[in-house]
Amino acid sequence: SAVISQKPSRDICQRGTSLTIQCQVDSQVTMMFWYRQQPGQSLTLIATANQGSEATYESGFVIDKFPISRPNLTFSTLTVSNMSPEDSSIYLCSVGRFNGQGDTQYFGPGTRLTVL
Amino acid sequence: AQTVTQSQPEMSVQEAETVTLSCTYDTSENNYYLFWYKQPPSRQMILVIRQEAYKQQNATENRFSVNFQKAAKSFSLKISDSQLGDTAMYFCAFMKHGAGTYKYIFGTGTRLKVLA
Repeated sequence: SAVISQKPSRDICQRGTSLTIQCQVDSQVTMMFWYRQQPGQSLTLIATANQGSEATYESGFVIDKFPISRPNLTFSTLTVSNMSPEDSSIYLCSVGRFNGQGDTQYFGPGTRLTVL
Repeated sequence: AQTVTQSQPEMSVQEAETVTLSCTYDTSENNYYLFWYKQPPSRQMILVIRQEAYKQQNATENRFSVNFQKAAKSFSLKISDSQLGDTAMYFCAFMKHGAGTYKYIFGTGTRLKVLA
């Protein structure tokens, strides 16, 4: 398994500002993922962040809006830029352990973002 | 494209009883994984159980077991001896395995309430 922490756990932000969410893992992992979960909805993958390469974004998500950093194997950040109320959501970080023996994703506790 | 369908938005069960949550999926892949995740009100996503598609034997984890029907593309979760702590949102997820691709597709979730 993996122990994952996220900061902040929640925030209330003003329209037009940006927020950076941090994700810290207790061990080195190759693959990290960022998801968005709107209230009462399922999870939607924003991007995959591998150390040493640029993040890969899913359809509907762009780097200018959601820049991601992955400086090392235990840390990543997601920035939500130029926020609008539609960005109000829970943002989840996850890590993948994919070794053919037990391919699984483990999730952080999430960051609840409210944009006014 | 893969899809995951959970047809039961909400369910309830009496404490100590058994409940089954349904999940169907659509894929043309042969190698993949299926998962059930639990998300309690605290919103931390917790892995409940994992099934490798190449395994015929149904996975079990204590009170949790699955009924995996590969031909029917069905993956239901059975919770035995339900406990109040089982109250949560349950998500079924599909992951394609291999060729460096590790993307999860989540269902829309089933909200389970265990009644005292």
